[in-house]
Amino acid sequence: IAGITQAPTSQILAAGRRMTLRCTQDMRHNAMYWYRQDLGLGLRLIHYSNTAGTTGKGEVPDGYSVSRANTDDFPLTLASAVPSQTSVYFCASSDSSGVYNEQFFGPGTRLTVL
Amino acid sequence: GQNIDQPTEMTATEGAIVQINCTYQTSGFNGLFWYQQHAGEAPTFLSYNVLDGLEEKGRFSSFLSRSKGYSYLLLKELQMKDSASYLCAVLDSNYQLIWGAGTKLIIKP
Repeated sequence: IAGITQAPTSQILAAGRRMTLRCTQDMRHNAMYWYRQDLGLGLRLIHYSNTAGTTGKGEVPDGYSVSRANTDDFPLTLASAVPSQTSVYFCASSDSSGVYNEQFFGPGTRLTVL
Repeated sequence: GQNIDQPTEMTATEGAIVQINCTYQTSGFNGLFWYQQHAGEAPTFLSYNVLDGLEEKGRFSSFLSRSKGYSYLLLKELQMKDSASYLCAVLDSNYQLIWGAGTKLIIKP
């Protein structure tokens, strides 16, 4: 593994189903983030984690949950998917959560909820 | 509220120079980032400004004026591979990145 990986690459999901998007980084970065990207809108932060064992809510957290059991993994769970959660989801990480936190992005997961 | 504005789309000619502007209104300021995003790919880091002035990195330069809430990304000697979206993002007082919607740059031969 080099950098950040996400799985799956894409997924079509029925509304009401539970889904976990996986994210793993091998850079030993402390901070990790989940964003969604929708056409015409900027990246919007869903949840973040400044260090293993801690998480925080971003701009659009409703309907999503995260956990950070270790440094490398930061899964995002949709408990009961709805069509408005159709989006491209990016996981990112940075060495720190303070100033100059250049973020490195995974390749993204394209999720369609029908 | 927090707001970052960039033009939706710009067109330029191969070999030319283009300037992409970004204006922002955020709760606090801890730096401004520019990222490049090719269609269907992840954003990648281009530049970071925290002090006023121009930062030059090869064909790309980024300028910041904190008093005006303004930045621009300058791309010189445009190449076809520069066709991409360019995202402006500000690190706010909570050290969260606030993102603009991005500027889609189309390069014509």
